[in-house]
Amino acid sequence: DAGVIQSPRHEVTEMGQEVTLRCKPISGHDYLFWYRQTMMRGLELLIYFNNNVPIDDSGMPEDRFSAKMPNASFSTLKIQPSEPRDSAVYFCASSQRPGLAGGPTDTQYFGPGTRLTVL
Amino acid sequence: GDSVTQMEGPVTLSEEAFLTINCTYTATGYPSLFWYVQYPGEGLQLLLKATKADDKGSNKGFEATYRKETTSFHLEKGSVQVSDSAVYFCALSDLGGGSEKLVFGKGTKLTVNP
Repeated sequence: DAGVIQSPRHEVTEMGQEVTLRCKPISGHDYLFWYRQTMMRGLELLIYFNNNVPIDDSGMPEDRFSAKMPNASFSTLKIQPSEPRDSAVYFCASSQRPGLAGGPTDTQYFGPGTRLTVL
Repeated sequence: GDSVTQMEGPVTLSEEAFLTINCTYTATGYPSLFWYVQYPGEGLQLLLKATKADDKGSNKGFEATYRKETTSFHLEKGSVQVSDSAVYFCALSDLGGGSEKLVFGKGTKLTVNP
């Protein structure tokens, strides 16, 4: 399996521009998570989805941030308008919860991240 | 709410030294416990996990034992290598408490010198 795929790996943009980050989870995984990592705040969970439905978006910093998951193999995190304080590394992760026969598993698999710089 | 507290770094060791990174947790249910590792410029990777009390997770020479009585999951390695230099995150998942989220500690940066 290719693992979790994120694009772009690096993004440099100017304040006020729209930024879209993309994620392809591991095939068959039911959960998708978006995280942000900064030196000051560490690793923060922004939002997560189960079967393409947003479950908890309490970590989304403000209305400028939005996330969608139109199908099981694709998700986007959009920032509009972007600000310098949004500069961070954004990670996508996915996990699987098999049925009763397999028991639950909660291991999350992370993508390589997108390093965003807003000038 | 659930939380994870881990030893703050940075930690600097010489090659072949013994490593301990402390991690304690609070949780409402019976969580699974994890150590993730992040190498420079990469995403987090699962290092090891334990799902119930007294379980020992192990991988690549690292070990951690789930201690319910002390609510701890300390990471240890008997002899570190330069290639172990990374940031280590302790985390918990409280599925029994009704949450699929991972709760992470702040991370501990380890540098191993030759």
